[in-house]
Amino acid sequence: GNSVTQMEGPVTLSEEAFLTINCTYTATGYPSLFWYVQYPGEGLQLLLKATKADDKGSNKGFEATYRKETTSFHLEKGSVQVSDSAVYFCAQGSNYQLIWGAGTKLIIKP
Amino acid sequence: NAGVTQTPKFQVLKTGQSMTLQCAQDMNHEYMSWYRQDPGMGLRLIHYSVGAGITDQGEVPNGYNVSRSTTEDFPLRLLSAAPSQTSVYFCASRPEGSNQPQHFGDGTRLSIL
Repeated sequence: GNSVTQMEGPVTLSEEAFLTINCTYTATGYPSLFWYVQYPGEGLQLLLKATKADDKGSNKGFEATYRKETTSFHLEKGSVQVSDSAVYFCAQGSNYQLIWGAGTKLIIKP
Repeated sequence: NAGVTQTPKFQVLKTGQSMTLQCAQDMNHEYMSWYRQDPGMGLRLIHYSVGAGITDQGEVPNGYNVSRSTTEDFPLRLLSAAPSQTSVYFCASRPEGSNQPQHFGDGTRLSIL
């Protein structure tokens, strides 16, 4: 069946470091792909999305490219800030539901 | 600009009690869903609705009921609370179309003693 796999956390980085959070998926067809972010004590917010192969989603300095050949949607940011500390979820759209990865906790130290 | 509103934010129940978690959205979204979030397990779909009068089961529906009498409201009922239902519950809504992002409420943190 369809699934989403994310790299396990927590991921701890220093401020201004380069960030990559890996996400791969299995699916029949070509689902839409999403990254959501959850700040402490809050609900989930859409960070970015891509709806077809080779699309690049971007927002707040984060980027992710829909790679059909590697079934991946890795999240990247060139220079992280303390305020980026949160849990990041990768998900794919499938009919009436989203299929979620387990989430990756990101900790940025000043 | 309310979006998705969940109440209550926190609740403590005793085993066997029943309660209803409320969810309302003001965006005229057809699709609404309930998730539970447990440590290390991401979000799991409990029930969803594709429009008023239509509901269906998700991945973990046992012990929960839902109804959708209006487009705006999608309450989640715990019939007889069990400690295994201790979790954070999120309601979400989105427009029609699987490429549309979901909008989440702030969650209800539920503890069952």
